[in-house]
This record gives sequence, structure tokens and C-alpha cells, in this order.
Amino acid sequence: DAKTTQPTSMDCAEGRAANLPCNHSTISGNEYVYWYRQIHSQGPQYIIHGLKNNETNEMASLIITEDRKSSTLILPHATLRDTAVYYCIVRVNDYKLSFGAGTTVTVRA
Amino acid sequence: NAGVTQTPKFRVLKTGQSMTLLCAQDMNHEYMYWYRQDPGMGLRLIHYSVGEGTTAKGEVPDGYNVSRLKKQNFLLGLESAAPSQTSVYFCASRRTEMNTEAFFGQGTRLTVV
Repeated sequence: DAKTTQPTSMDCAEGRAANLPCNHSTISGNEYVYWYRQIHSQGPQYIIHGLKNNETNEMASLIITEDRKSSTLILPHATLRDTAVYYCIVRVNDYKLSFGAGTTVTVRA
Repeated sequence: NAGVTQTPKFRVLKTGQSMTLLCAQDMNHEYMYWYRQDPGMGLRLIHYSVGEGTTAKGEVPDGYNVSRLKKQNFLLGLESAAPSQTSVYFCASRRTEMNTEAFFGQGTRLTVV
């Protein structure tokens, strides 16, 4: 599976958009980009995934660059409840699911 | 709709004791996973299963055994608990299709003294 690089931490103001970057320069053509988040002490929660096109759901938007070497998760209107560790994962392996260290996002009032 | 349920939620063991953690999912998922998470760290894959009767080692399998006798259940066993196994354990499951998400349980907090 392709390796991902995320910033260790970032702050965001409540009500503003939070843009979380992820680099995956070794991604191959059939690997999906997934985002999960983990709110303190809880199990990880799926947010969104994509292959080539940008994706949007009720939680977030995923912007994937044309060369697919990086992506950005956008939380359009961050709230205090969005404070969590966010994991970017790229995966082609049909069964294994591996997590890196993620980005600790702190939303401040 | 329960999703993924882990039992127990909390446990304290003495060094050398054994125990089994149960993960149950009601979504008819083929794939199931056990992770551990130590303070301030990410999730590390212990073992996983791609179907009933099959198991495989993940990144940190030593000291653990697993069984998948029924499709809906994935058991994680500690034969002789050690303080290094103090951690929070998470179970997950997902369908076989490539572009599907995983569902996680709420975790089991295990302390070995």
C-alpha cells in the first residue's frame, strides 16, 4: 500500500473550514484514498473515500489532485465536536487496513 | 442496528492471566480485524480474518491468538497477559468489495498489572 504523509497537528477556528492535507506520492492507479477520524477514546469513524474524482458527503469533501499524489479533506464548517485525529489511508490490498499516525485537529472556539 | 460490538469494555488482568476479547458484528461482513492502540499512538494491526475459519497475522501478532469459528464473531485471546499488552483494543469489520468502509467497535480498555 502507498505510504501517506500528514501533518502531525493543526488548529482550526470554530465555524471556519478546516483543510487537512495528505501526501501520497507513490499511489498507484487502483488505490483509493480513505479518510477516517477518531474522537478521543472512541473507535475510528469512516468519513469519505475517493479514487480520482472529488467527493462530497454530509460530513466532508475530498479533493484529489489530478496526478493523485495528494489530497485534501475539507470540513466545511468546523465545530468543537470535530476535534479528533484524522487518518488518511490509501489502499489497494484487498483485505489489509493499516493506519498511520494521523493529524490531530483541534477546533478552537 | 448494533454494528460492531466489543465485549468487555474494560478489564484489569494480573500478569500471567488469560482472557478472551469478543468482537461481534451483525452486518454479515467477511473481513474482521483486531487492532491495539497505545497512548498517543496510531492503531496497529494485530490479526485479521478474511472469512469464517481463516485468520492471518498483522503487524504485531506476538502474544495474541485469534479464532473465527463463526462469521459474525472474531475472538482475540491473550494466553499469558503481560504489562506490555496494556492497551485499548479495537475491532473492525467490512465487506469484501474493494471500495467499502470499515466499521469499528467502541474499544476494550485492558490493563495488565
